Amino acid sequence: DAKTTQPTSMDCAEGRAANLPCNHSTISGNEYVYWYRQIHSQGPQYIIHGLKNNETNEMASLIITEDRKSSTLILPHATLRDTAVYYCIVRASGAGSYQLTFGKGTKLSVIP
Amino acid sequence: EAGVAQSPRYKIIEKRQSVAFWCNPISGHATLYWYQQILGQGPKLLIQFQNNGVVDDSQLPKDRFSAERLKGVDSTLKIQPAKLEDSAVYLCASSLAATVFNSPLHFGNGTRLTVT
Repeated sequence: DAKTTQPTSMDCAEGRAANLPCNHSTISGNEYVYWYRQIHSQGPQYIIHGLKNNETNEMASLIITEDRKSSTLILPHATLRDTAVYYCIVRASGAGSYQLTFGKGTKLSVIP
Repeated sequence: EAGVAQSPRYKIIEKRQSVAFWCNPISGHATLYWYQQILGQGPKLLIQFQNNGVVDDSQLPKDRFSAERLKGVDSTLKIQPAKLEDSAVYLCASSLAATVFNSPLHFGNGTRLTVT
């Protein structure tokens, strides 16, 4: 699976949009971009995933650049409960075991 | 829908002792994973099961770690004997099927192991 690069930490004011970037410049055509988050003392929680089109669900939006070398997770109105570590993961869709390989993620702090 | 259940929530043991963790995945999920998360790091895969068969255990320290999923549902991860460096959170996850590539993993809240 392709490697991802994320900032170590970010701050966001409560009520504002949180934009979390991820670089995956070596991504290949059959690899999806997944986002998970981990709130303190909990297991990782699935947020969203996409291949090349932008995606939106009740939690967040995922914007993938046209060349697919980077993406941005957008939390439209961040709340204190969104404080967590956010992981960007690239996962192959071909034959294989479809594992998730986690990096260190971005620690997002939502500030009142 | 009930989530992935894990027990115990916390465990403290002395080095060289043995310990076991239990996981009950989401009903109908064929694939089960065990991850180890050391403080300050992302989770690292230890073993993956598809039904009751092992798909990947390449990162499992087999001299001391073992795992089983006998009936293709619940799973147990065992450490014997434990070392200080095994102190970590052990996370269990499940997904609908490994071949459904866009099937998200659902994680339990883990077991926090402290080895003294």
